[in-house]
Amino acid sequence: EADIYQTPRYLVIGTGKKITLECSQTMGHDKMYWYQQDPGMELHLIHYSYGVNSTEKGDLSSESTVSRIRTEHFPLTLESARPSHTSQYLCASSGQGASYYGYTFGSGTRLTVV
Amino acid sequence: QKEVEQDPGPLSVPEGAIVSLNCTYSNSAFQYFMWYRQYSRKGPELLMYTYSSGNKEDGRFTAQVDKSSKYISLFIRDSQPSDSATYLCAMGDYKLSFGAGTTVTVRA
Repeated sequence: EADIYQTPRYLVIGTGKKITLECSQTMGHDKMYWYQQDPGMELHLIHYSYGVNSTEKGDLSSESTVSRIRTEHFPLTLESARPSHTSQYLCASSGQGASYYGYTFGSGTRLTVV
Repeated sequence: QKEVEQDPGPLSVPEGAIVSLNCTYSNSAFQYFMWYRQYSRKGPELLMYTYSSGNKEDGRFTAQVDKSSKYISLFIRDSQPSDSATYLCAMGDYKLSFGAGTTVTVRA
């Protein structure tokens, strides 16, 4: 049973619209991440957070923004969607120190911008 | 050069065969090494987790890490049709770098 939830699972939206992808976890993890995944390609880190009010950009440049106001919630926002934003977006969280056992991933949001 | 290179596959094997999956990496600072399994339209799920070099076995799965060669492997013994999925290697610390994945099909 998933302890990290992403909504919506699928989203088809028109160019120029503002969208927010939701991610919530119930494990009390301090660290949360957003990855972008395209078919046949490796996952690319676009944002991460090591705690409340802490956000950093990842290795892949992205026009999206994130916020971390609560430990359990890490939403991703695109102010003006474009077809180039079409992709699968995966949210993940992890513990730290002795509680670090890699990531727990959500089921992903598949975004299509038309 | 990519930080993590994974054999692209795809692999198709008969049921009961041994599946061998491999990744190489370039960053000698990596300490944590993982294998994730991803079914279609799902997020990746952690399969094996190792810290530093050595072998780890869990049921039909064995993970090997050779830090001197910057090479990691995953072996699946007695493969089953339910093992059909994409397997991703991942490594790093709190920020993980992923391979592109190898799609495995186990034929009944």
